[in-house]
Amino acid sequence: NAGVTQTPKFQVLKTGQSMTLQCAQDMNHNSMYWYRQDPGMGLRLIYYSASEGTTDKGEVPNGYNVSRLNKREFSLRLESAAPSQTSVYFCASATGSSYEQYFGPGTRLTVT
Amino acid sequence: KQEVTQIPAALSVPEGENLVLNCSFTDSAIYNLQWFRQDPGKGLTSLLLIQSSQREQTSGRLNASLDKSSGRSTLYIAASQPGDSATYLCAVRQDSNYQLIWGAGTKLIIKP
Repeated sequence: NAGVTQTPKFQVLKTGQSMTLQCAQDMNHNSMYWYRQDPGMGLRLIYYSASEGTTDKGEVPNGYNVSRLNKREFSLRLESAAPSQTSVYFCASATGSSYEQYFGPGTRLTVT
Repeated sequence: KQEVTQIPAALSVPEGENLVLNCSFTDSAIYNLQWFRQDPGKGLTSLLLIQSSQREQTSGRLNASLDKSSGRSTLYIAASQPGDSATYLCAVRQDSNYQLIWGAGTKLIIKP
């Protein structure tokens, strides 16, 4: 039981490049989330998916797109990376009843 | 708009002390409240979740309480150990909402 896994762990991009962050969970959770964490800003929700086939914007969705590929996988795409997207990105999933969230280990992204 | 505050931002205590971390929220219409721990450079680990109908939850040396009417939750750590050093975050889920509202965290250092 791996919980929530994220790939890659680290990534350096140049401005304008694109990439996809992958997230998978093996806990059969319905809802999944993408957050970014910046010093002094705390955790901010980018997008979430309440169930397979649905996605919704969070607090800071601009510059990002998501795909809920199936119940297990939820990916985050940066189409044209900007230095302001330098951050640590966390994926989380939650149980259907209590909505207790479980987090992945994070992806440290640097955009130069 | 719900706001979550954690005071103090940082706390340093000698090993063996019992301590209390505070979390306050402005809107009492919450679904549940969750306490997390984050080690430097790591993801978040769920510690305790309290449903809105509950008063407290316990796990080992940790006890979390919830007083909705006063908009407060406390995390009590008994017999603190250096391994308890981490940042502790609380997050509130509003009724019928998938999003968590996060506090900024309390950085705890336990001195040997």
